[in-house]
Order: sequence, then structure tokens, then C-alpha cells
Amino acid sequence: GQQLNQSPQSMFIQEGEDVSMNCTSSSIFNTWLWYKQDPGEGPVLLIALYKAGELTSNGRLTAQFGITRKDSFLNISASIPSDVGIYFCAGQLRSGGGADGLTFGKGTHLIIQP
Amino acid sequence: DTAVSQTPKYLVTQMGNDKSIKCEQNLGHDTMYWYKQDSKKFLKIMFSYNNKELIINETVPNRFSPKSPDKAHLNLHINSLELGDSAVYFCASSPRDRVKGIQYFGAGTRLSVL
Repeated sequence: GQQLNQSPQSMFIQEGEDVSMNCTSSSIFNTWLWYKQDPGEGPVLLIALYKAGELTSNGRLTAQFGITRKDSFLNISASIPSDVGIYFCAGQLRSGGGADGLTFGKGTHLIIQP
Repeated sequence: DTAVSQTPKYLVTQMGNDKSIKCEQNLGHDTMYWYKQDSKKFLKIMFSYNNKELIINETVPNRFSPKSPDKAHLNLHINSLELGDSAVYFCASSPRDRVKGIQYFGAGTRLSVL
């Protein structure tokens, strides 16, 4: 099955720094999504990307759908304490067989040091 | 007000027992899912139901049986629980245009098998 390689696995940064994380896949996805998971909660959608090359922003977050459709990145600018959490990339194949389940990366743990 | 709600939030039980986790969504969505998140935070799709019909059944032991009494509910029954079943189980739902990949997650059920 598809595999998503997400990096880095964890990041220790200072408040105010910019953050960048990415995902690569061995196969093509038609949709890329970025989710954030806070402790004790379920993942919450941050950004959804539908077209190769698409660049989308959501506040301080920016994500891009790679041209090859096998990668995506997420940037967070000027990090703040509430950005702490686990960030997941997810890909979806849009197929007639109803393969609607998301394939998730292994997550990037973001830790902000005071 | 909770869009996707799961009960219970915590479940501690002995090996060999049978247990159920309930999920309800009040978003009017047609498709619901069960995911498993292991101790390393890896999220993997287990099942997908569209309007009470099974779409996806990933390689999951047949001790796990989803049941959808109506499109707002998707319950997960687990027979003969094993130590390796300990994980966080997430229910999710998506609207009719589910090909857009947007899924809304519940807060999770933390299952501990002793």
C-alpha cells in the first residue's frame, strides 16, 4: 500500500520561529491534507490541497501540493505556544472503488521552547 | 454541540473480553470511518461505511466488527480482546463529496487491554 514519509519526526523551536515540514509518497495522491492533533483530541483539518502546484494559506499556515503529486509541505510562520502539537500529512486516492480512507504520515511533533 | 462524539473516552478491560465503542455524528454526513492510532501515534484506516454500507475493510482481524444502525452512527465491536488491541480508536465522518478528503474526527477512545 501507499506510504507517506513525513519529516522531521520532531522539532524543537523557539517561539516566533518559522517551521517547515514535508511529506513524500512513493505513489501519486489526488488530494493532500494537513491535520493537527492536540493531546487527548482527534486530528483537526488545517489545509486541504486538490491540484498539483496549488499553494494555499490559512492564517500563518501555508501548504503546497507538489507538482509531481507525490509530495507536500507545510510552513508555519512566527510560531506561537498554541502551535504545539502533532502535525500529520494525509493523502487520499480518489478512485471509483471508494478508497476514501486517508493515508497518514507518521506525524511531526512540534515543541516550542519558551 | 459536538460534531463527532465517541463513547467511552477511556476503556480499560481484561484480555479475552468483548467490548463496544460507539460513535455518533450530527453533521448529516453520509460516510463514517474508524481509524486506529498506535502508541507511536501512527493513524491507520480500519473501516469505512457509506450510508450504512461497508466500503473499506482494511486488513483488520475479524474480531473487529463495525455496525451502522443508521448513517449517523457507526459502532465498533471487538471480540476476544488482545493486548495488541490497546490503542486510541478514532471515529470520523465526511460529507457527501467525500472525495474531497475532508474528514472530521472524534476525540478518540483510549482502549487499554490488561
